[in-house]
Order: sequence, then structure tokens, then C-alpha cells
Amino acid sequence: NAGVMQNPRHLVRRRGQEARLRCSPMKGHSHVYWYRQLPEEGLKFMVYLQKENIIDESGMPKERFSAEFPKEGPSILRIQQVVRGDSAAYFCASSPPVGRVSNEQFFGPGTRLTVL
Amino acid sequence: AQSVTQLGSHVSVSEGALVLLRCNYSSSVPPYLFWYVQYPNQGLQLLLKYTTGATLVKGINGFEAEFKKSETSFHLTKPSAHMSDAAEYFCAVSFFGNEKLTFGTGTRLTIIP
Repeated sequence: NAGVMQNPRHLVRRRGQEARLRCSPMKGHSHVYWYRQLPEEGLKFMVYLQKENIIDESGMPKERFSAEFPKEGPSILRIQQVVRGDSAAYFCASSPPVGRVSNEQFFGPGTRLTVL
Repeated sequence: AQSVTQLGSHVSVSEGALVLLRCNYSSSVPPYLFWYVQYPNQGLQLLLKYTTGATLVKGINGFEAEFKKSETSFHLTKPSAHMSDAAEYFCAVSFFGNEKLTFGTGTRLTIIP
């Protein structure tokens, strides 16, 4: 059973460009979470999605950031007009459907975004 | 709202010595507690978790943690450190009905040969 997959693993963008980060959850998982890790800091929650629905986006910056998890295909985290402060590691995690005992999340390897 | 405090951003122990990484949480409802390990340039791997039941939880690689409600703590221990334990360790909290994980700032563990 393949784990959570993220691509690209490394992404370099110039200021003002767009960044698209993709996440494929584990097989059978219908919940996806995005976290951001700034240098020398812990992970911060950004958004929680189920298929075709945004459940909690309380951690998403108000502008330039958006996320989706379509019926088919991976979840996408999109950052428009990137700035240097967006440079970070972005991690995706997935979990099984509702009814599970605990909120265990399985993490992908991350996408390291560098903004020049 | 919940929060996690990890005391000690850097911890060094000698190979073979006891590992103790501290985690205190704040939560107004019964928490779910997790310890994750992160190796350089990699994602997070779950070491162990507490949801309900037995308060002493055993995880992978010889690690264990004890949930102490009275102290709002969930410290991570390993009796004998190994060189391969060198990594960053994160404590996290969530609770039933709130899916997102709230992480501490992490503790970098260094093993001295």
C-alpha cells in the first residue's frame, strides 16, 4: 500500500509566479490535510479537505492561497504570486473516513518550496 | 483552543543513556496525543499515540510515552539511546471532532557517541 505521495519534492519559483503542490492520499483515505513548516519551526495547520469539500481552512492565509480536493485526482495547494516568505516545506497528510477511533494522520515526504 | 509546549528545543544525550523529551499540552476537552519523528529532509513518521485507555503507550523503535492528565503531560522516553535516534521530534494534540493537529515547536535530539 503506497503511502501519501507529494510532488514535486522540490519547487523553485521566482517572486510573483504561481506554485502548485500536489498530494495523493493513501489508498482508501478520503481526508487530506495541508501543513506548512517554516525553517526552524513546527508544523502549522493550513487546511482540511474531504472530496470536493473544504472542511476547515482556518489556517490558510486570507490571500493568494487556495486548496482543492476534486472528486478525481490529487489534492492541490495553490499559491499565487509567491513571495519570499512563502519559502517553506509543505506537508500533506491523509486519514481514513469518519468513524475511526483516533485522528491518526499519515504524512507525505513534503514539498520544499524556495522562492527566489 | 489547544496548544502544545515542548521544553527544550535541543537535547543531547550519550549513546546508551536515557532519552527524555518533554511535552505539555493545553486542552479543554480530552485530548488525543501524538509523537512524530522527522529525519532530515523527510516527512513525519508516527512514533506513538494516545487516544483512550491505557495511559502508558508503547511505540516503535523502543519509545514509549505516558499520558498524565493531572500534569497535562505526555513525555517521550527511551531507556537507551541509539545513534539512529538522532532526529527532530514533534508532539501534537487533537481531539475527537476536531481533525487538525496542533504541533509543538519540536525538539532536536542529538546522540553523542
